[in-house]
Amino acid sequence: SQTIHQWPATLVQPVGSPLSLECTVEGTSNPNLYWYRQAAGRGLQLLFYSVGIGQISSEVPQNLSASRPQDRQFILSSKKLLLSDSGFYLCACRTGGAVFGYTFGSGTRLTVV
Amino acid sequence: AQKVTQAQTEISVVEKEDVTLDCVYETRDTTYYLFWYKQPPSGELVFLIRRNSFDEQNEISGRYSWNFQKSTSSFNFTITASQVVDSAVYFCALSGDNQGGKLIFGQGTELSVKP
Repeated sequence: SQTIHQWPATLVQPVGSPLSLECTVEGTSNPNLYWYRQAAGRGLQLLFYSVGIGQISSEVPQNLSASRPQDRQFILSSKKLLLSDSGFYLCACRTGGAVFGYTFGSGTRLTVV
Repeated sequence: AQKVTQAQTEISVVEKEDVTLDCVYETRDTTYYLFWYKQPPSGELVFLIRRNSFDEQNEISGRYSWNFQKSTSSFNFTITASQVVDSAVYFCALSGDNQGGKLIFGQGTELSVKP
């Protein structure tokens, strides 16, 4: 079965600082990968998805970017954080076959101060 | 475009009451998948159920049941005899086979079960 490793669990960063969140997947190859953000008290918003190495689709214009340098690695970045970037960030992968579904990481809670 | 609407933002019930969480979806895909997830205060997403668009059979799992109706584009979730441990945010979600199979979530319903 697939496992998603996502770190760190919590992060406090000052406004204007850079950000790099990493997500790695085990137990599958060539997965579809996704980054979601959940602002406080809100729903889960899809930020980026990737269907392969170097292929990134952005769902909403924002201060963030994503990259997929390796098959099972998905990185969320920002050059300069804004207060509005605070939230709970979840990485996910889509699994196929008989156990089709989505596996989620445990999330990173980012507070921009 | 795909869309999921959970009109109930918050629901509060007393323990042992039955409660239904509503979910309405929009999609142009002929093949699609519907999901329900539970998010406890710790934040992780707990998978509850997946339904394929070609399978309209309702499902029951213990105190949980799901009613899928394509005619009304709804996928409602009922908890029978609710318990305090059911308190969480519940998300309905939709995906298709196009556009990277992205999973689109509703805004969530926060369920509070009081003793």
